[in-house]
Amino acid sequence: EADIYQTPRYLVIGTGKKITLECSQTMGHDKMYWYQQDPGMELHLIHYSYGVNSTEKGDLSSESTVSRIRTEHFPLTLESARPSHTSQYLCASSDPTQESYYGYTFGSGTRLTVV
Amino acid sequence: RKEVEQDPGPFNVPEGATVAFNCTYSNSASQSFFWYRQDCRKEPKLLMSVYSSGNEDGRFTAQLNRASQYISLLIRDSKLSDSATYLCAVNAGSARQLTFGSGTQLTVLP
Repeated sequence: EADIYQTPRYLVIGTGKKITLECSQTMGHDKMYWYQQDPGMELHLIHYSYGVNSTEKGDLSSESTVSRIRTEHFPLTLESARPSHTSQYLCASSDPTQESYYGYTFGSGTRLTVV
Repeated sequence: RKEVEQDPGPFNVPEGATVAFNCTYSNSASQSFFWYRQDCRKEPKLLMSVYSSGNEDGRFTAQLNRASQYISLLIRDSKLSDSATYLCAVNAGSARQLTFGSGTQLTVLP
C-alpha cells in the first residue's frame, strides 16, 4: 500500500558512526521532505527538496545532510552520530500540482537510537 | 506566536461522544488546510483536506473559518479506534511548506 519507503525501520548505532537513512517514493513526486519527531512532540522540518539537485535546510537546525540525485530517492546522512540525534525521522513527499488536495504522504519512519 | 496552534489536550471522551478540535493559524495568506491522524509511534496519515465550504467524511466534519483564522474537526459517535493524535496542517502557498500543529491527543474510553 505504501508508496514511500523508509529503511531501516529501526536502527541502534554507536556514537561517532556514519549513518544514512534511506527514503524512496514511487509516485514521481517532485517535492520531498525530512522531519524529525521526538515521542509525543511536534514535527520539525529539517530538510526539503523541490526536485533533482535541489536541497534546502528546514526550520530546525540539523547536523545531517541530504542529497537528491534522482527524483525518487532522498537519503539523509549523519556523518558522526551522537546520542542527541536519537529520534524518529520521517520522510514525506508531495506533488505540487495536487498538494492543495492531498497534502503530504509520509513514510513509516526510521526510529534511530544512538548509544 | 506559532504559525499554527492547537489545543494539546488530552481529550478523554467516552465512546459515542462528540468531540471537536480547533486549530488556529496566523498567516492570513494560508491557502490549504488539512487534518492528519497520527497513531502512537506511527507516521501521520491524511484524514481529510479542509475546504472553504466545509466538508464531511462519515463521522468526521471539517470546517474553515477564514475570518477568525481557524479550522475545526468534529468527530461524532466516537469509537475506541479514533484514539490518536490529530494534527492540523496549513500551507501559505505552493512555494511554502506545510506547517504542522503540535497535535491534539484524543483518547476514547470504553
